[in-house]
Amino acid sequence: KAGVTQTPRYLIKTRGQQVTLSCSPISGHRSVSWYQQTPGQGLQFLFEYFSETQRNKGNFPGRFSGRQFSNSRSEMNVSTLELGDSALYLCASSFQPGSGSPLHFGNGTRLTVT
Amino acid sequence: GDSVTQMEGPVTLSEEAFLTINCTYTATGYPSLFWYVQYPGEGLQLLLKATKADDKGSNKGFEATYRKETTSFHLEKGSVQVSDSAVYFCALSEDQKVTFGTGTKLQVIP
Repeated sequence: KAGVTQTPRYLIKTRGQQVTLSCSPISGHRSVSWYQQTPGQGLQFLFEYFSETQRNKGNFPGRFSGRQFSNSRSEMNVSTLELGDSALYLCASSFQPGSGSPLHFGNGTRLTVT
Repeated sequence: GDSVTQMEGPVTLSEEAFLTINCTYTATGYPSLFWYVQYPGEGLQLLLKATKADDKGSNKGFEATYRKETTSFHLEKGSVQVSDSAVYFCALSEDQKVTFGTGTKLQVIP
């Protein structure tokens, strides 16, 4: 079974630009979550989608948005990029939201904002 | 709200040493508990889990026991290898939300 696939693996953008990251979950998984990982702040939750609906959202500005498609693939978008948005963005999927379902992570997209 | 507290790192051990990484949690109900590991350049991967009190999760020589009385889920391994060098995250899941600890970096030297 293929794992969680995130594209692209690396991105370099300039301040003020926008970026879209993509995540393909494991086949059959309907829940997709996004996390931002930085050395200073650790792993921070961005949002979670299940069956095309955003179920939970972390404490990030409105510049961060996401969506999920009918095939469970998900995208996240960051507009008006700032230097502080440089981070590793991780996507995770699970069969469904629930206390016993572990998360399966992709290898992330490394975003560098210059 | 829910929270997870892990011991500060980095932890540096010699090969074949005993490992303990402490993890305590705060939750309102009966969460499931997880340990994830992140190797350099990769995403997190599930190491082990426990879904109820007194359950012991184990994998690849690592173990952790769900202790409700002490709200703890400490990770242990009897003999670490250089290949265990990574960042370890404790996490809990409750009410369909996942809360991660800050991660503990482990470095094992030959």
